[in-house]
Amino acid sequence: GAGVSQSPRYKVAKRGQDVALRCDPISGHVSLFWYQQALGQGPEFLTYFQNEAQLDKSGLPSDRFFAERPEGSVSTLKIQRTQKEDSAVYLCAPHRGAGRITGELFFGEGSRLTVL
Amino acid sequence: KQEVTQIPAALSVPEGENLVLNCSFTDSAIYNLQWFRQDPGKGLTSLLLIQSSQREQTSGRLNASLDKSSGRSTLYIAASQPGDSATYLCAVDSWGKLQFGAGTQVVVTP
Repeated sequence: GAGVSQSPRYKVAKRGQDVALRCDPISGHVSLFWYQQALGQGPEFLTYFQNEAQLDKSGLPSDRFFAERPEGSVSTLKIQRTQKEDSAVYLCAPHRGAGRITGELFFGEGSRLTVL
Repeated sequence: KQEVTQIPAALSVPEGENLVLNCSFTDSAIYNLQWFRQDPGKGLTSLLLIQSSQREQTSGRLNASLDKSSGRSTLYIAASQPGDSATYLCAVDSWGKLQFGAGTQVVVTP
């Protein structure tokens, strides 16, 4: 597949709860992207890492969203005090290149978050 | 700001007909364009990548064209099959990140 696993695949949270979503790419992926896909919509960019550096976080919708990739491999997207509008599928896409996307971007299966 | 539009939002065709899916974008300064397929409840499957210097790309029954100057790409699927039923999304690489359209939901009826 995409050479990446995401967990949990499904998460149900009560409004106000904190959640953490994990993206675990196989080794050798310098870049990593997070996207959010609301129901019936195309994915929207959230944030981009090059190794452990978060170079672009312009798509994070609020300061309740936080992402990290401390060792340049596994990445975690954390959402604090979840709200109903956070319900979406969160997709991760690792990429071997740095900077420009120099080839196809392959996505993980995603983590589906439902906030009640 | 790059805007990506896919029309129609939904399409139903009988099996055997050719599918034509449209994607338009507002900023022609793209690096590449990628077409994806998404089955219900699943992630994205990459179908084709067209570099900005290319005009088309083919893979089996799939053919994608790109006209940067007019801001358009078209995905053709020949001789559609019920297994082609899915949502098809296009995405443009605009300044290092993909901008997606909302997708076209395709149903191929037997």
